[in-house]
Amino acid sequence: DTEVTQTPKHLVMGMTNKKSLKCEQHMGHRAMYWYKQKAKKPPELMFVYSYEKLSINESVPSRFSPECPNSSLLNLHLHALQPEDSALYLCASSTPRTETQYFGPGTRLLVL
Amino acid sequence: SQQGEEDPQALSIQEGENATMNCSYKTSINNLQWYRQNSGRGLVHLILIRSNEREKHSGRLRVTLDTSKKSSSLLITASRAADTASYFCASIPTDKLIFGTGTRLQVFP
Repeated sequence: DTEVTQTPKHLVMGMTNKKSLKCEQHMGHRAMYWYKQKAKKPPELMFVYSYEKLSINESVPSRFSPECPNSSLLNLHLHALQPEDSALYLCASSTPRTETQYFGPGTRLLVL
Repeated sequence: SQQGEEDPQALSIQEGENATMNCSYKTSINNLQWYRQNSGRGLVHLILIRSNEREKHSGRLRVTLDTSKKSSSLLITASRAADTASYFCASIPTDKLIFGTGTRLQVFP
């Protein structure tokens, strides 16, 4: 299984809502990533988990809260988001020392 | 922060033609990768070229790397409508993957 899955595919939320994005992989990868991508821009790294521990936080606002419950799952908890947070959120995984990353299809988020 | 600048930003060609896109990067790298993204979907890894390699092929893809000029190029030969996508170069200058600005390729049937 060489697939990274993400749910939901689309999400619309208000600025006072709490929601979560979910990412799952069964490739045995021990590094997992969250990226944010705005239209016509490259993906920008948000968080990196290595062996279920947060290793990189790219100064992301606290309204984004990542969680890695086990080696296959990665969540991104969202609370009190702003309209400018609307974007495509991509999850990826890799082996910690391999440069190639495998991406999920993304969650398209709209904050109203 | 972006590690790579790509040109052109957009490219339109007919099926059967070749498409060339270029990437320039800022700092020393161990390798450079190319990814494809179809219309707002996830990215797919295409090819990785190491710093000690000058050229690499994979099917209809040919990648070159010139470390002295800090540049790379991706050539897609005999393009197809299905090649329509955005293409990003990417490298790991320190401890994380950083993408270039991307080239949007449109292949007309």
